Amino acid sequence: NAGVTQTPKFQVLKTGQSMTLQCAQDMNHNSMYWYRQDPGMGLRLIYYSASEGTTDKGEVPNGYNVSRLNKREFSLRLESAAPSQTSVYFCASSESGQPIYNEQFFGPGTRLTVL
Amino acid sequence: KNEVEQSPQNLTAQEGEFITINCSYSVGISALHWLQQHPGGGIVSLFMLSSGKKKHGRLIATINIQEKHSSLHITASHPRDSAVYICAVIEGGSEKLVFGKGTKLTVNP
Repeated sequence: NAGVTQTPKFQVLKTGQSMTLQCAQDMNHNSMYWYRQDPGMGLRLIYYSASEGTTDKGEVPNGYNVSRLNKREFSLRLESAAPSQTSVYFCASSESGQPIYNEQFFGPGTRLTVL
Repeated sequence: KNEVEQSPQNLTAQEGEFITINCSYSVGISALHWLQQHPGGGIVSLFMLSSGKKKHGRLIATINIQEKHSSLHITASHPRDSAVYICAVIEGGSEKLVFGKGTKLTVNP
């Protein structure tokens, strides 16, 4: 099993460009999450999907959109990238929407720089 | 909003030392997670606990719900334990994790 995979690993964008970060998991998990990690700050939840077909905003959703394409895949889209979106992005998944009972499995991260 | 504070921010130890990392939070929670982030960036879950104590190998996690405090202990530390250790909490009634900023541990041989 590959676990949680993310593409790309690195990306450089110019301000105003758009891009989609891809995430897939092969563990048949119901819940998937997108986080961003910035220096000096803890991981922050951008969006999450408790099950196929549902998505909800997290702590920092502005400037992002998500799609839960199917049970395996959860993509994050930046429609018009801004320098403030320079960050490391992590996708994670868990068996259910109750993290108390299920550990979260993290992807390797995508390092995004917006110039 | 639940604030999660970790201490220390940075910790340097010699191989073999006993390590303690602390986590405090401000409001009631239903569970607490400890995670490890490797120097390469990968994040793995170490423990989930809502009461008492859990042990896995040389790692021990404890939580005191009344005092809103948790500790992660590493016995007989080793250079391969060098990583960032992250505490995250789930507020009661929520499904979302709120993360601390992490504690960077360096274990020297």
